[in-house]
Amino acid sequence: QQKVQQSPESLTVSEGAMASLNCTFSDRSSDNFRWYRQHSGKGLEVLVSIFSDGEKEEGSFTAHLNRASLHVFLHIREPQPSDSALYLCAVRDMGYKLTFGTGTSLLVDP
Amino acid sequence: GGIITQTPKFLIGQEGQKLTLKCQQNFNHDTMYWYRQDSGKGLRLIYYSITENDLQKGDLSEGYDASREKKSSFSLTVTSAQKNEMAVFLCASSIAKQGWSAETLYFGSGTRLTVL
Repeated sequence: QQKVQQSPESLTVSEGAMASLNCTFSDRSSDNFRWYRQHSGKGLEVLVSIFSDGEKEEGSFTAHLNRASLHVFLHIREPQPSDSALYLCAVRDMGYKLTFGTGTSLLVDP
Repeated sequence: GGIITQTPKFLIGQEGQKLTLKCQQNFNHDTMYWYRQDSGKGLRLIYYSITENDLQKGDLSEGYDASREKKSSFSLTVTSAQKNEMAVFLCASSIAKQGWSAETLYFGSGTRLTVL
């Protein structure tokens, strides 16, 4: 069964400083990865989707996938206080099952 | 763009009570989902539905019933609320017909359940 873990559990960065979040998965055949963001009391919104090794950029968000090492990273360029939220990665395996990580809580200090 | 509306936003129940949560979407999406979000455990799939009147069990279906009355609505029933239970229930939809969606999920803002 797929295991998806995120680190760190919580992260504080200063406004404008790069934030890097890590998602580790267990099934190397997984082929579909998304990063979502959840502001407090709200639903999830998709930030970036990536389906092959390498990088994918969407605005200030860059996903980096390395299937050999079982990692998918999210880098947030010049984060603002409004980027303070819970960040969740979602991984789909070849059986089409979607598994969510437990999230990284990001706080951006002004 | 569309929107997913979940009602109620907050739900307080008593132990053993049957509780119903509702979800409406105007994306015209085929597939709808119910997830449970507990602190420190990520999202776990309870039920999903790929079309009207279809129901598929997720990993956490025990203790729940669901109903897809029409394409735009999907309801979830907690059959017997557990004492001190606290969780957020998230409804989502996606365009794809297959249950385990290849496409992006669009989420509502959730129903927060507290059981006294």
